[in-house]
Amino acid sequence: DSGVTQTPKHLITATGQRVTLRCSPRSGDLSVYWYQQSLDQGLQFLIQYYNGEERAKGNILERFSAQQFPDLHSELNLSSLELGDSALYFCASSVTFRTYNEQFFGPGTRLTVL
Amino acid sequence: GENVEQHPSTLSVQEGDSAVIKCTYSDSASNYFPWYKQELGKRPQLIIDIRSNVGEKKDQRIAVTLNKTAKHFSLHITETQPEDSAVYFCAAKSQISNFGNEKLTFGTGTRLTIIP
Repeated sequence: DSGVTQTPKHLITATGQRVTLRCSPRSGDLSVYWYQQSLDQGLQFLIQYYNGEERAKGNILERFSAQQFPDLHSELNLSSLELGDSALYFCASSVTFRTYNEQFFGPGTRLTVL
Repeated sequence: GENVEQHPSTLSVQEGDSAVIKCTYSDSASNYFPWYKQELGKRPQLIIDIRSNVGEKKDQRIAVTLNKTAKHFSLHITETQPEDSAVYFCAAKSQISNFGNEKLTFGTGTRLTIIP
């Protein structure tokens, strides 16, 4: 157990809908990262937050947004869902944003868009 | 931006033999290279990492080598065991802005199968 929690574990929804994925980082970690893992594309970095502020952005679609709250938990919002958004979404956390800080991954949320 | 290529995509080795997974990266400024292991249905977990100022690092049966000139790094697993069966991802950390923002770029993964 990495100490990072994610809810829900599974999510099944329809195209056009909106969902929210939640992540709680390890105790003491200030940085949160979101990744998308599709079958054919490996782990894609979406976005990073540090102590409530957006720190780095990857290949995140405009239909997706995220935030980190004062208690350091983070939410990833996915809207106008398409079939291609079906994937495993991982959250990871680290102590800070420093280069050598290990990222600890949560168990993931499996999103299925029908 | 950074591009990480990983080979092979699948690898089967006899139990007890060695396994080698290779990655190349494109951004010469990348300075941190972690390797993650992901068992079926589970989260990625860091197994070893190497910094750009080091050429080799070893941890029991696992070793990683880095060739900065050629921009490639490799994972070596010796005396493989059935529990080594998993998907392995290499990654490279690179700067994506002038403000010190960095991101991890992952390879596409290698599915390693240990044959008993």
